[in-house]
Amino acid sequence: SQQGEEDPQALSIQEGENATMNCSYKTSINNLQWYRQNSGRGLVHLILIRSNEREKHSGRLRVTLDTSKKSSSLLITASRAADTASYFCATAESSGGTSYGKLTFGQGTILTVHP
Amino acid sequence: ETGVTQTPRHLVMGMTNKKSLKCEQHLGHNAMYWYKQSAKKPLELMFVYNFKEQTENNSVPSRFSPECPNSSHLFLHLHTLQPEDSALYLCASSLLAGGPPSQETQYFGPGTRLLVL
Repeated sequence: SQQGEEDPQALSIQEGENATMNCSYKTSINNLQWYRQNSGRGLVHLILIRSNEREKHSGRLRVTLDTSKKSSSLLITASRAADTASYFCATAESSGGTSYGKLTFGQGTILTVHP
Repeated sequence: ETGVTQTPRHLVMGMTNKKSLKCEQHLGHNAMYWYKQSAKKPLELMFVYNFKEQTENNSVPSRFSPECPNSSHLFLHLHTLQPEDSALYLCASSLLAGGPPSQETQYFGPGTRLLVL
């Protein structure tokens, strides 16, 4: 199986609710990043968490990283209809603390926020 | 606008055609990437260029030929493609490839939607 698998594959919620997406990976990483993609468009970087960090916040986003379980979660609080998009985690693999310089993306979670 | 532009946005080509995709970044970055995004598959890294040098070729068929004349421009030359090559092709750039995490955030263009008939 592949690096960076997101769970769930699809999530449907009401505006104002929180959305949680999970990502699991298999190899040692230098950092993990979350990206958002609106339908058929390019990806937009949301947040980066380094391998020595456990939690990071950016506005309504909260990312956690558990390197012992090789997993990460993205929480979007007080969701809005405009948050409707696909969300991808991407891992920067490393060896000995040095990044290989490439990202491996998961299949993504499709989030739908109903007004 | 992310500072990365791609042209054309849409392309329809026959299997015997030759076409090129163009990517330009205005961010002063030194690393550029080509990705392929097919339906129901994860984003696939194709090529990485760091300071104009190719540092990654992810087992991409030779009918895809990249070119990076300078750190701001990246091309993907296409010839004798197959219908299964139809996909969204995304270009991205970052300050560095393989540098500190803060320099590895990637900025994506809007993509070229390619249809091979």
